[in-house]
Amino acid sequence: ETGVTQTPRHLVMGMTNKKSLKCEQHLGHNAMYWYKQSAKKPLELMFVYNFKEQTENNSVPSRFSPECPNSSHLFLHLHTLQPEDSALYLCASSPRGDMSGANVLTFGAGSRLTVL
Amino acid sequence: GQNIDQPTEMTATEGAIVQINCTYQTSGFNGLFWYQQHAGEAPTFLSYNVLDGLEEKGRFSSFLSRSKGYSYLLLKELQMKDSASYLCAVRDSNYQLIWGAGTKLIIKP
Repeated sequence: ETGVTQTPRHLVMGMTNKKSLKCEQHLGHNAMYWYKQSAKKPLELMFVYNFKEQTENNSVPSRFSPECPNSSHLFLHLHTLQPEDSALYLCASSPRGDMSGANVLTFGAGSRLTVL
Repeated sequence: GQNIDQPTEMTATEGAIVQINCTYQTSGFNGLFWYQQHAGEAPTFLSYNVLDGLEEKGRFSSFLSRSKGYSYLLLKELQMKDSASYLCAVRDSNYQLIWGAGTKLIIKP
């Protein structure tokens, strides 16, 4: 497989559930990102990992918990979410995390989350 | 605050030309990106501009004017497969990417 793969593609959960989103990249990139995409709103950066180290947490509520065991895998653990957390969660990777030059993001297709 | 403005939706005809504008007010400038996102799919990179002028890549071209805080994406010889959302993003002086809300382009036969 190539590119950035996200699973599951769709997830429905109750507010008391615990679930996880998974992202895997086969591009040899060193930086990975979680973004939230809501309808008709700009992409919201949530977390950045560079060489497995978290370099950015964009004031994300603690009910979202990221994990990056290595440069190829990224998880987003979800617990006690709210209905307003329903959105498309996009994972991305880039060659490096410093965002200089044409450090292009490669995105996965996203995990569509619905919180009931 | 920082802001990226793009039209919410545009409609164009197959075979025609369409220009999608993006204006920005950011704390500094370190490059502008355009991404294409088909419904239910990943955003994919289209173009990167850091200097003023026009960058051409096949049917797609991207223009930048840093003094005006303005860019556009020009799509020629439109095809039905060009129906998608087009996202503009600017990298500010802190190298943070600021995103627009995207422009949904509808192509009609």
